[in-house]
Amino acid sequence: NAGVTQTPKFQVLKTGQSMTLQCAQDMNHNSMYWYRQDPGMGLRLIYYSASEGTTDKGEVPNGYNVSRLNKREFSLRLESAAPSQTSVYFCASSEGKGTPQHFGDGTRLSIL
Amino acid sequence: AQSVSQHNHHVILSEAASLELGCNYSYGGTVNLFWYVQYPGQHLQLLLKYFSGDPLVKGIKGFEAEFIKSKFSFNLRKPSVQWSDTAEYFCAVNYGSNTGKLIFGQGTTLQVKP
Repeated sequence: NAGVTQTPKFQVLKTGQSMTLQCAQDMNHNSMYWYRQDPGMGLRLIYYSASEGTTDKGEVPNGYNVSRLNKREFSLRLESAAPSQTSVYFCASSEGKGTPQHFGDGTRLSIL
Repeated sequence: AQSVSQHNHHVILSEAASLELGCNYSYGGTVNLFWYVQYPGQHLQLLLKYFSGDPLVKGIKGFEAEFIKSKFSFNLRKPSVQWSDTAEYFCAVNYGSNTGKLIFGQGTTLQVKP
């Protein structure tokens, strides 16, 4: 029972490169989320998908795009990476409104 | 704007000391409240949650939290901490949206000295 799986776990990019972070959940959850975690700032929501076929901006969407490929998978894309996007990225999923979110192990991304 | 504030950024305690971590949220009507814990190098795990009913909720590992509506607070407590409780703790609020979005506090790093 894997829960929420994120790949890769670590990545180093150069400024301007593009990259897609993958996330998959096996709990048949409707909603999925992408957060970034920075020291002293908690987790900030980048994008979310309330249900298959829908995506919406969160608190810090600039520089990112997402795709809800199917009910299981929700990817996050950096089109042109910038040093300010150096962070730890977490994917999460939940059944929906008000229910607890389950988190993946995170992707540590460094942009030089 | 919807926001969540955790007052203590870094707390250092000795084993067996009592713990209380503060969490306040901005007014927003009906809320669902959560505390998550992140052990070093791991992902966030749910400690406890409040949806409705008894404002004193009990979670895993001896943690509890009290929802005080009039104070917009949801403080986390534990009577006697252990070294293994060393972690970062996050308060999170769902403001009743249909999407399940959470607003997180900044986090509190707890260091327990053996």
